[in-house]
Amino acid sequence: EDQVTQSPEALRLQEGESSSLNCSYTVSGLRGLFWYRQDPGKGPEFLFTLYSAGEEKEKERLKATLTKKESFLHITAPKPEDSATYLCAVVAGSEKLVFGKGTKLTVNP
Amino acid sequence: NAGVTQTPKFQVLKTGQSMTLQCAQDMNHEYMSWYRQDPGMGLRLIHYSVGAGITDQGEVPNGYNVSRSTTEDFPLRLLSAAPSQTSVYFCASSYGAGVFGTDTQYFGPGTRLTVL
Repeated sequence: EDQVTQSPEALRLQEGESSSLNCSYTVSGLRGLFWYRQDPGKGPEFLFTLYSAGEEKEKERLKATLTKKESFLHITAPKPEDSATYLCAVVAGSEKLVFGKGTKLTVNP
Repeated sequence: NAGVTQTPKFQVLKTGQSMTLQCAQDMNHEYMSWYRQDPGMGLRLIHYSVGAGITDQGEVPNGYNVSRSTTEDFPLRLLSAAPSQTSVYFCASSYGAGVFGTDTQYFGPGTRLTVL
C-alpha cells in the first residue's frame, strides 16, 4: 500500500528563518511527487511536480528536491505570507494521488 | 477561465437527507475526481472519472454516487447522509486521464458539509 508521511506536523518560524519540510514515501514505482499549498478555507494550490531522484525545482523562496525515499521542501528566508499548510502527494502504480497529512507552517513577523 | 467551481460552499444536512454537491470545470479536462478532507487525515479519494460516461471508485466510496454525463460536470451525490460524512469536499480536475500520474490536478474551493 502506498504511504506518504509528512514531518513535522506543524512548524513555526520567524520571518527570515530558513527551514525544510519533509515528505517520505513508500510506493512501488513512483510516477510523480507533487507539492501543494493550502490556505485556510481554500482548495490545494499546485506548487511543484518531481518525477525522478535528483530532480529539483524552485519557485520564489521555495525549492523542492527528490530522493528515492523522500522529498524536501526548502523555504529560504520565509515571509508571513508563506504561512499555509503544505501538502505532499505521490502517484505510483495505482495512478491515483495519495496525500500526506500536511505540514502547517506559521511564519511570524 | 473560472477553473474548477463548486457549489454550495457550505451545507448543513440532517441524518438521512440526500443532496448533490456540484462540480464544474471549464478547462476541457478529461480527468475529474472528488476528495474529502478530515482533520488529522490526508485528502482521500472518493470517486474519479477519466472521461464522460466513465467513473470508478476511490479509497472511500461508500455512501456516495457519481455520474459523468458531460466533460464539464462531475456531481457527487450523498444518498442518505450520515454524521460520518461531515467533512470538507474538494473536486479536482486534470488534463490527462491515461497520463494522470504526471498531470497536475487543479482543485476547487471546496464544500464544507455538516451532517447533524
